[in-house]
Amino acid sequence: DIQLTQSPSFLSASVGDRVTITCRASQGISSYLAWYQQKPGKAPKLLIYAASTLQSGVPSRFSGSGSGTEFTLTISSLQPEDFATYYCQQLNSYPRITFGQGTRLEIK
Amino acid sequence: QVQLVESGGGVVQPGGSLRLSCAASGFTFSSYGMHWVRQAPGKGLEWVAFIRYDGSNKYYADSVKGRFTISRDNSKNTLYLQMNSLRAEDTAVYYCAKDRVVTTVTFAFDIWGQGTMVTVSS
Repeated sequence: DIQLTQSPSFLSASVGDRVTITCRASQGISSYLAWYQQKPGKAPKLLIYAASTLQSGVPSRFSGSGSGTEFTLTISSLQPEDFATYYCQQLNSYPRITFGQGTRLEIK
Repeated sequence: QVQLVESGGGVVQPGGSLRLSCAASGFTFSSYGMHWVRQAPGKGLEWVAFIRYDGSNKYYADSVKGRFTISRDNSKNTLYLQMNSLRAEDTAVYYCAKDRVVTTVTFAFDIWGQGTMVTVSS
């Protein structure tokens, strides 16, 4: 199975900061990558698919980039509601899809 | 509005069975592939199973193959997960999730239910 490694696993930042989360795949996955946000006790929410396409209704401060084996999720200016755990997911090898281990974003 | 509501979770002994349901509303259920995804306490996400919009194709994670069965009733707008031979490691919140694109398999999940907890313990 394709392994996804997110870095960092934990991130402390302040409101207004620009933050970047990286997701590296163990082999090339073209642009078959999605990003999800999950708040405690809630279901995940799709933010980005096809590596860089913003899901409808998601604020434009979220952006994604990358292809092949390295991808990034960027939040341009952190808002209080953005503090959550973020997961990347590879869809290249379905049905053997996998998720990253998650990046927990907390308020500094 | 578009909504998925799971039910059927609970506490079951190892080796036991449980059937989860997911009631869909607000979209044309019969036109979308559907998934089950689980999350063990304090852990990450694990995809469990998929069923095509018309029920003609199903996929399972290796960890549940041969024990879990996904099905759907498009007349009732309901997705199911029959879980047999349950193990402690199946303990998790189980989410149903809608595939993003109509009649196409993408494995991107754009709508999720609130989840139902399954605990396997003696």
